[in-house]
Amino acid sequence: DTAVSQTPKYLVTQMGNDKSIKCEQNLGHDTMYWYKQDSKKFLKIMFSYNNKELIINETVPNRFSPKSPDKAHLNLHINSLELGDSAVYFCASSQGGRGYEQYFGPGTRLTVT
Amino acid sequence: GIQVEQSPPDLILQEGANSTLRCNFSDSVNNLQWFHQNPWGQLINLFYIPSGTKQNGRLSATTVATERYSLLYISSSQTTDSGVYFCAVEPLITGGGNKLTFGTGTQLKVEL
Repeated sequence: DTAVSQTPKYLVTQMGNDKSIKCEQNLGHDTMYWYKQDSKKFLKIMFSYNNKELIINETVPNRFSPKSPDKAHLNLHINSLELGDSAVYFCASSQGGRGYEQYFGPGTRLTVT
Repeated sequence: GIQVEQSPPDLILQEGANSTLRCNFSDSVNNLQWFHQNPWGQLINLFYIPSGTKQNGRLSATTVATERYSLLYISSSQTTDSGVYFCAVEPLITGGGNKLTFGTGTQLKVEL
């Protein structure tokens, strides 16, 4: 069974469109995250949710809106996509908040043309 | 914020060789993880090691928290070890929430 899953795996879209990426974890964790990996492979935190509550919003443009319908799911909606949004987006989860090991999903490669 | 530096940035090995990757960090941490990003892009957890030493097969890791560095040892390297190795840390003191700060990675290529 996949611990942290994301859909879709690949997403190709045009500038100006709105798209969503879904994430689900079956580990029973209560904290979930979104990270972005840019073209130089640098990984950076975007958001963190704990028990459906937003904990971290790392100065991400407000075109990005995370939503956590329950502890097992964290979705990422992106409005008015821009070329610079092209990246790989990783979802992750951990058992608790600070100090716990984080587990990553397979990533979603977003390409904006 | 906390700074994470990894060395070397690139490494080419012949199959069967051993290597050591280093991660230096600028502040005390309560989480340190090593990841392998394989050529297909998956991030694979190698070690959760805020302090001490752990071993898993041909891989082992040591974190000396008081001196703010961690080492990842790869012995008898195989072509499947190729990819990017990331060190990521969570600072002990933070303004709120929990987040991993990643280093820039070590790109490893193992050749036959």
